Formats: sequence, structure tokens, C-alpha cells
Amino acid sequence: AQSVAQPEDQVNVAEGNPLTVKCTYSVSGNPYLFWYVQYPNRGLQFLLKYITGDNLVKGSYGFEAEFNKSQTSFHLKKPSALVSDSALYFCAVSVDTGRRALTFGSGTRLQVQP
Amino acid sequence: NAGVTQTPKFQVLKTGQSMTLQCAQDMNHNSMYWYRQDPGMGLRLIYYSASEGTTDKGEVPNGYNVSRLNKREFSLRLESAAPSQTSVYFCASSTPNQPQHFGDGTRLSIL
Repeated sequence: AQSVAQPEDQVNVAEGNPLTVKCTYSVSGNPYLFWYVQYPNRGLQFLLKYITGDNLVKGSYGFEAEFNKSQTSFHLKKPSALVSDSALYFCAVSVDTGRRALTFGSGTRLQVQP
Repeated sequence: NAGVTQTPKFQVLKTGQSMTLQCAQDMNHNSMYWYRQDPGMGLRLIYYSASEGTTDKGEVPNGYNVSRLNKREFSLRLESAAPSQTSVYFCASSTPNQPQHFGDGTRLSIL
């Protein structure tokens, strides 16, 4: 069975500072990894994905994530946080065979203070 | 520019009532999904449809049924609603190995 862990319920960062939202995963097979963001009363919006290739993936709104196979991690990063980045962030994983449905982490709330 | 459309957006039911949540996508995706979102638990897969005419159980299928009416539409039915089914329900669609596109959700309360 596949699983995703987001160890922090909330991350607080000052505007202009770098941010990191952590994610680790467990799968049997090659992982496909995704980050999504959710704003209040909205569905999830795709930020970035890792399927194969470069371990550093760049996505929307200046976000990036680094795939680390040995540590089974896929942490989300941004060099300079904006107040508008405040939202709920979800890491998700699927595998390259079978159903390919996503398994989500429990989410991390990012709060960027002015 | 519709993407994934869910109806209704809000619904309040009494225990034992039935209802169907509707989902339609206009992106010609083969795969469609139903998730529920509960506080502190992320999204959990209820049912999945890889293509028209096929459906498969997810992590939490009990108390739900689905119908893949055609390529565009995938409905979720609660036959006899229970308070434990109070949640926010999301429909999503995708092509294989590509990001899933989500609707804005249906907020369902069962009294």
C-alpha cells in the first residue's frame, strides 16, 4: 500500500523568507509525486509533479520541489514567500502501474506573515 | 474554461435520505475520481473510473455507489445518508500519469 506523510500541520514563515513544506512517501514501484494547493472553499490546484528525470522540479507561482529517492522525500520549497502563498498544501503519490489513483497526505497549512 | 463541474455546491440532508452528487468534465479525460475531504485526513479515494463503463472501489467505498454515465459524467450516490458521511466531496479527472483536475467540491451535511 502507498502512503504519504506530511509531518507538519502548520508552517509559519515571514514574507520574503524561504519556505519548505515537507513530504515523505512510501510506495511499491516507481513513484509519481505531486503537490497541490487549496484555497478556502475551492478545489485543489496543481502546482508541480515529478514523474522522471531531474530531481529538482519547478512549478507554478515560483514553487519547486526536490525528489530524493534515498530519503523517499519530495519537499516543496520557495525562495521568497508571499502573503498570498498562505493556503493548504497537499503532497500526493501514485505509482506507474495499476489504478494510478492518488494517495494524499493530510495537508500542511502554510501561514505567511507580513 | 469549465474544467470539472460539480453540483450541487452545498446540501443538507437528514439521516436516511438519499441523494446523487453530479460531476462533469469537458477535458476529454478517460479517468475520473471521487474523493472525500475530512479535517486532518487529506483526501481519501471513494471510487475511481478508469474509462467509460468501468468503476473500481477506492479506500472508503462503503455507503456509496457510482455511475460512469458516459465519458464526461461520473456521479456519486448516497443511498441512505449517515452523519459519518458529512464531508466535502471532490470530483477529479485526468489522463494517465498527468495531474488530476479537481472541481470546487460539494459540501454535504447530514443531520
